[in-house]
This record gives sequence, C-alpha cells and structure tokens, in this order.
Amino acid sequence: DAGVTQSPTHLIKTRGQHVTLRCSPISGHKSVSWYQQVLGQGPQFIFQYYEKEERGRGNFPDRFSARQFPNYSSELNVNALLLGDSALYLCASSWGTQNTEAFFGQGTRLTVV
Amino acid sequence: AQSVTQLDSQVPVFEEAPVELRCNYSSSVSVYLFWYVQYPNQGLQLLLKYLSGSTLVESINGFEAEFNKSQTSFHLRKPSVHISDTAEYFCAVTHTGGGNKLTFGTGTQLKVEL
Repeated sequence: DAGVTQSPTHLIKTRGQHVTLRCSPISGHKSVSWYQQVLGQGPQFIFQYYEKEERGRGNFPDRFSARQFPNYSSELNVNALLLGDSALYLCASSWGTQNTEAFFGQGTRLTVV
Repeated sequence: AQSVTQLDSQVPVFEEAPVELRCNYSSSVSVYLFWYVQYPNQGLQLLLKYLSGSTLVESINGFEAEFNKSQTSFHLRKPSVHISDTAEYFCAVTHTGGGNKLTFGTGTQLKVEL
C-alpha cells in the first residue's frame, strides 16, 4: 500500500506569491493534518480536516488555508508568501480524529526568496 | 494548553553505548505521548506511543520509553545504539479528546559515532 504522498517535494517561490501544496492520504484514512516544520524546530500544527470539514486550526495567519476533497486528498494554500514561510510542510493522515496513529508524508520543502 | 520540552538539542554517543533522550510535558488533562524519528530529508516515523495501560512501551528496534505521570516525563532509552540510529528524535503530546493535533518538542539530534 502506498503511504502518504505529498507533492511537490521541493518548491521555490518569491515573496508575495501564492503556493499550493498537495497531499494524498493512505487509502482508507479520512483525516488529514498539516504541519509546518521550520529548520531546527519541531513541527507546528496548522490544520486538521476530517470528512471534508475543518476540525482544528493552529495559530497561523489567515494567509494559510486548506481544504479536503471527496477522495480525502487535501491542499494547503499559502497566500502572500513571506520569507518566514520557508519550511518543510508535512502532511499526516489517520483513520479518524480521536488519537489514532498519524502517518506522515515525506514533506514539501518550500523556500521563499 | 500543552507543551513539550526536550532539553537536549544534541546527544553524541558512541556505538553500542546506552542513550537516554529526555522529554518532559506540561498538560492539565490526561495525555497521550509519542516519540517520532526523522531521518535526513524525510518525514516523521512513529517510534512508539503511550495511550494507556503499561507505562513502559517498547519499539521493534530496541527503543523503550516510560511514562512517568508524577514527573511528567516520557524519556526515550536504548541500551545499545547503532550507527543507523543517528537521526532527529521528536517527542509529541496530545490530550484525550484532542483529536490528532500533536504538540511537538524542538527535537534531539542523536549522533552515534564509531
């Protein structure tokens, strides 16, 4: 079975641009969460989606948004990119929302110049 | 709110020596605790977890961690490390009813030397 897949793996954007990151969960998993991992730090929770509904949001500005599709895949969108948005963005999938094991993808490395 | 503290940013150790990576958490409610490992340029892999029951949990590759509620700790140990254990280790916490929102520590870089 395929694990959590994220695309693209690497991305370079200019300040002020918009970016869309994509995630496909493990087959059968209905929940997707997004995390931002800045170099040298632990991952920070951004969003959780379950059955296409937002179930949790971390302390991130409104420039960050996400959605989940009927096939449970998800997109993370970031508008008006700042240099500080440079990070590894991780997607995690799980079967449900209550303390079930989260499986992480390889991440998308975003560099904002 | 919850928080996780990993006091050691780097831990160098010789191969076949024992190691302990420290993790302390803060939470006002019951918690679930996790250790994840991250190899260079990769995502996170679950190493072990404490949900309930026995306070000592073990992984398939020789790591173990003990949940200590009174000391609010979940330290990771291995009696004999291998060069392949070199990686970044993250402790994470979530609370009962908290969904899968994980709060991570800042990580500990374990460097195993020959």
